[in-house]
Amino acid sequence: KQEVTQIPAALSVPEGENLVLNCSFTDSAIYNLQWFRQDPGKGLTSLLLIQSSQREQTSGRLNASLDKSSGRSTLYIAASQPGDSATYLCAVSTTGANSKLTFGKGITLSVRP
Amino acid sequence: NAGVMQNPRHLVRRRGQEARLRCSPMKGHSHVYWYRQLPEEGLKFMVYLQKENIIDESGMPKERFSAEFPKEGPSILRIQQVVRGDSAAYFCASSPVPQGQLFFGSGTQLSVL
Repeated sequence: KQEVTQIPAALSVPEGENLVLNCSFTDSAIYNLQWFRQDPGKGLTSLLLIQSSQREQTSGRLNASLDKSSGRSTLYIAASQPGDSATYLCAVSTTGANSKLTFGKGITLSVRP
Repeated sequence: NAGVMQNPRHLVRRRGQEARLRCSPMKGHSHVYWYRQLPEEGLKFMVYLQKENIIDESGMPKERFSAEFPKEGPSILRIQQVVRGDSAAYFCASSPVPQGQLFFGSGTQLSVL
């Protein structure tokens, strides 16, 4: 059974800092991994999707990496801004699991001005 | 191209009533997923549907819950005889292909009094 862990549950950083959010998963037979952002009371916004054959994906100030063999992914946020404050969720699609995603509980990020 | 549309945004029901949650996927998307987010917990998969077919309902409670995605119209998640433990945010997501990138709606917040 796939399990996804995100530690710590919360993180507070000053504006401008570069930061890394971690995600680990137990079953390396994944099809893809996605990072989402969730704002309070809102839905999820897909940030980056990494296929199992890829090592990383980049979008603007965001960079996500994937190491299947060790069961880890990181989301790197460069030059953080107060507008980046949100909960960041990692989710994996396990091979043969009919597309369903297994989510971590998320990391709540607060960027202080 | 409008995003995934869910309605209502908020739904209040008394114990024993029925709740109907609607989801219109993005145009061109024939794969629909329902997830539930309980307070202090991560998102949990409930059901995966394609047009007129339930592909995977392994995450759905065996009783009181049902889902459909008819040939015409939105996908419906139906909860009969609601109980307080059903109070949660219910999210719908759609994808153009199996195991593709998921696009989420803003969710329906169900409150059972």
